[in-house]
Amino acid sequence: SQKIEQNSEALNIQEGKTATLTCNYTNYSPAYLQWYRQDPGRGPVFLLLIRENEKEKRKERLKVTFDTTLKQSLFHITASQPADSATYLCAKYYGGATNKLIFGTGTLLAVQP
Amino acid sequence: EAQVTQNPRYLITVTGKKLTVTCSQNMNHEYMSWYRQDPGLGLRQIYYSMNVEVTDKGDVPEGYKVSRKEKRNFPLILESPSPNQTSLYFCASSLWAGGNQPQHFGDGTRLSIL
Repeated sequence: SQKIEQNSEALNIQEGKTATLTCNYTNYSPAYLQWYRQDPGRGPVFLLLIRENEKEKRKERLKVTFDTTLKQSLFHITASQPADSATYLCAKYYGGATNKLIFGTGTLLAVQP
Repeated sequence: EAQVTQNPRYLITVTGKKLTVTCSQNMNHEYMSWYRQDPGLGLRQIYYSMNVEVTDKGDVPEGYKVSRKEKRNFPLILESPSPNQTSLYFCASSLWAGGNQPQHFGDGTRLSIL
């Protein structure tokens, strides 16, 4: 079965540092990987997506990489701020008969001032 | 404002009492889905709909029903709720089904079944 794994332990970093979150998947590479942010009591909010033939995608202070050899995506937040504190979810998409997004359990990021 | 609206936001009810959670989107999206979120298990898809009158099971459909009579609405029905359906539920929509389509989520419905 398709699995997607994120570090269940919270990530604590100091303000101004770069936060790096990991997303690992099993079996064959998904066509797309998406990243979401979820705040307590709210629904996930879409941040970025990356295609399997892209190595890297950037949006302001956010950067996502996709390594199909390692079966891994890394999500970076540079110059982190306390307002970046949230749970970050990755999701992989498989087309064809599957045709759905499979979400990881998320990693809680806490940025200390 | 583009949004996905779920109601109610919170509900405490008893085993066996039928309930419906409504979901409405104002973005003219074709694809809609329901997820439940449980600690340690993440978001799991219950049902999805590719378009009006087209619905299909997700990973955890047992005990749930859905309908898609109009494009904007996708209600989730629990005919006979049980305590193991206590969870946080999210409705989501996207322009169409596909990995390049961001999902727009509602703010969730917290259900407690006693």
